[in-house]
Amino acid sequence: SAVISQKPSRDICQRGTSLTIQCQVDSQVTMMFWYRQQPGQSLTLIATANQGSEATYESGFVIDKFPISRPNLTFSTLTVSNMSPEDSSIYLCSVLLNTGELFFGEGSRLTVL
Amino acid sequence: DQQVKQNSPSLSVQEGRISILNCDYTNSMFDYFLWYKKYPAEGPTFLISISSIKDKNEDGRFTVFLNKSAKHLSLHIVPSQPGDSAVYFCAASPSMEYGNKLVFGAGTILRVKS
Repeated sequence: SAVISQKPSRDICQRGTSLTIQCQVDSQVTMMFWYRQQPGQSLTLIATANQGSEATYESGFVIDKFPISRPNLTFSTLTVSNMSPEDSSIYLCSVLLNTGELFFGEGSRLTVL
Repeated sequence: DQQVKQNSPSLSVQEGRISILNCDYTNSMFDYFLWYKKYPAEGPTFLISISSIKDKNEDGRFTVFLNKSAKHLSLHIVPSQPGDSAVYFCAASPSMEYGNKLVFGAGTILRVKS
């Protein structure tokens, strides 16, 4: 397995502000992803964080709203920009291990007022 | 369009009895299926998987059954324990090399009563 540290674990934010979530992995991983789980909804893939290049976004997610950085193979950030109450979710960092298992961090619970 | 559906938002079971969690999918290209378990304030963790060449996979108290013709899979937990109380997510992919191709259901909250 891997150890994934996400910060912050939770936050309460005001509408219109932006928040950056950090994801630190204890080993180098090739594939790192960001997921979102809205209340009562499934885990939805936001984007694949690519090391040294722009993230690959899934349908319905855009870089202006969810800018992602991946400066190296152990670290990534996800920013939720210009937040609205609809962005209240759990945001999860995940990595694909060499075993083929998708391993998740503990998530960052975001509440937007 | 939900490709993976878990129609029961919650399930309550007595300790020692069987828990059956169900999952339906619509995409006939899905070939590999997984179950994840999630405790509050923790990330989802992998529980058990099955590929389409099988109809059953067992790991201790956990068994997953796959009915490809019905596009249905289920997770059986026997006997259920209070520590099994969690949210269970069904997930599907076109292949075992799923990478970023996993599609998740909305989850089922399992409560095991002692």
